[in-house]
Amino acid sequence: DVKVTQSSRYLVKRTGEKVFLECVQDMDHENMFWYRQDPGLGLRLIYFSYDVKMKEKGDIPEGYSVSREKKERFSLILESASTNQTSMYLCASRKLTTEAFFGQGTRLTVV
Amino acid sequence: AQSVSQHNHHVILSEAASLELGCNYSYGGTVNLFWYVQYPGQHLQLLLKYFSGDPLVKGIKGFEAEFIKSKFSFNLRKPSVQWSDTAEYFCAVNADNAGNMLTFGGGTRLMVKP
Repeated sequence: DVKVTQSSRYLVKRTGEKVFLECVQDMDHENMFWYRQDPGLGLRLIYFSYDVKMKEKGDIPEGYSVSREKKERFSLILESASTNQTSMYLCASRKLTTEAFFGQGTRLTVV
Repeated sequence: AQSVSQHNHHVILSEAASLELGCNYSYGGTVNLFWYVQYPGQHLQLLLKYFSGDPLVKGIKGFEAEFIKSKFSFNLRKPSVQWSDTAEYFCAVNADNAGNMLTFGGGTRLMVKP
């Protein structure tokens, strides 16, 4: 089975902190994605990566950055966390010819 | 840019009722289309997908969807819902001019009353 693993299920951080969300997939997928999920807004794409060290901005990249140093790992970084970044963060991976597989999500609360 | 609209935000049905959830996308070229489901407290799971071929796609748990290119639609259907279908449903599209980007709609929250 494809497995996408996010390092934390729940996180509480203070405003201004630098936050790292980690995601690992075990299926050698080229593409990895970070979304945030908010009630009524569905899933909004923050960043995605189609190869190691390659990244593209999604619909809402402001306040975020990403890192992909290895094919299996895709990190989302909040440079200076703010309360409006309180959300559920979802990582996904896929090949171009398949559906996306999702992790369990990280619920981040910024206080 | 590709975009996806799900017009029904909340749907309430009784068990055994028929279900149809709307999904429309904005791109006129070649698309790959998906429906995902998220049960309470669980991660997103694929219900069905369309890449090419027969526009009527059958998925898991008795769900199906029909791709109608002329209407830019990919509506999800189930003839008889069960209480266990209570969940949030998301439509997603990957257009051929968007590379690997996968765009989701706003979701439809379905509640099935026993």
